[in-house]
Amino acid sequence: EVQLLESGGGLVQPGGSLRLSCAASGFTFSNYAMGWVRQAPGKGLEWVSGISGGAYSTYYAVSVKGRFTISRDNSKNTLYLQMDSLRGDDTAVYYCAKDQGGAVAGRPYWSFDLWGRGTLVTVSS
Amino acid sequence: QSALTQPPSASGSPGQSVTISCTGTISDIGVYNYVSWYQQHPGKAPKLMIYEVSKRPSGVPDRFSGSKSGNTASLIVSGLQAEDEADYYCSCTSYEGSNNVVVFGGGTKLTVL
Repeated sequence: EVQLLESGGGLVQPGGSLRLSCAASGFTFSNYAMGWVRQAPGKGLEWVSGISGGAYSTYYAVSVKGRFTISRDNSKNTLYLQMDSLRGDDTAVYYCAKDQGGAVAGRPYWSFDLWGRGTLVTVSS
Repeated sequence: QSALTQPPSASGSPGQSVTISCTGTISDIGVYNYVSWYQQHPGKAPKLMIYEVSKRPSGVPDRFSGSKSGNTASLIVSGLQAEDEADYYCSCTSYEGSNNVVVFGGGTKLTVL
């Protein structure tokens, strides 16, 4: 079955760290760029970060650049998001998402055709 | 990275058509055709409905269509059905030097009357 399954969310104090994981199955993981998208409670979607299929290129939203690190282990079909220096406005459901596969000059279109169920990260003292 | 602008709500009766707009700038929607639309039901993950402005993924009903004019993209839902009631989000990908930027709209709640 084609699916993404996130884990690692939870309650963390401001300034703390958390690492999210996303286990992929049912498709050739290394062939696709992957991303993280978050949704604060009652709010809209916000793109957080993306990584190319071969992990050669990474991209970040301004709001998380310097604090979050995206990575992947293609041998384990797993995507990660290391989150450091967490703040209250990082509280959200974090979704792992698969890019559809289109690209221009090697750069993904970042159109996500498969999403996980999400994992909740709560930053609070 | 300013968010795209969507109306907060839209509505229509079963069988009718409704259009949801998504306004960006000359730096994103105005120049790039990498506009996607997502449907999200309460408590569920988003689902891709339209990509590259007007293309439909396999399995998405042809009642859903997309278009773009200038800095504004649109999602058209024709023949409204009860199950279309959901939140809809647009997104656009732009490329600034070596960086990729993805911005979402604030979302539109579609109500089927």
